[in-house]
Amino acid sequence: DQQVKQNSPSLSVQEGRISILNCDYTNSMFDYFLWYKKYPAEGPTFLISISSIKDKNEDGRFTVFLNKSAKHLSLHIVPSQPGDSAVYFCAARKGGSEKLVFGKGTKLTVNP
Amino acid sequence: DAGVIQSPRHEVTEMGQEVTLRCKPISGHNSLFWYRQTMMRGLELLIYFNNNVPIDDSGMPEDRFSAKMPNASFSTLKIQPSEPRDSAVYFCALKATGGNTEAFFGQGTRLTVV
Repeated sequence: DQQVKQNSPSLSVQEGRISILNCDYTNSMFDYFLWYKKYPAEGPTFLISISSIKDKNEDGRFTVFLNKSAKHLSLHIVPSQPGDSAVYFCAARKGGSEKLVFGKGTKLTVNP
Repeated sequence: DAGVIQSPRHEVTEMGQEVTLRCKPISGHNSLFWYRQTMMRGLELLIYFNNNVPIDDSGMPEDRFSAKMPNASFSTLKIQPSEPRDSAVYFCALKATGGNTEAFFGQGTRLTVV
């Protein structure tokens, strides 16, 4: 039973354009959401997060949007760069818990 | 991340053998997590410790899996006996409980059971 779903296994965009990665969740107890980026042969690294009391959080080229009613979040990268090519994992956790529940990831390829 | 040292980086073993994966965390992070990554299931939490005490082991798939954290600077994940379906990348991750930083991961151990 997958509580965090990333329905697109892969995404390809041109350098300079916007990348939009999507994530859906089913557990309404989740109140904190994160995105991790993973390069081959490395561990995931934290990218950006958002609390359920917000609907947007921005950090440089990266913006995460949260739609609680739809149980949906998205990560926008603009402009996309070739170095952004990686697997992006969406994750969520419940209040009071340190346990992260991850999606299966979306492989982003940014073409020069 | 240099702050989380996992060993070995790669392990190939025969079915039925015991496998021990190791994690050496840096100090100042009192939560330690073991995750497993497979193509089918993605990243899934196996177990996590807080201040060396196991808090949630509901993700441990079977009794063949066990994890220990005898002290704040060392943790092991043992599989005995190993099976081909255990083949995956196993990650150790750390976090300062309640801190402003998020969990950061080691480079992982790629386990292949043949």
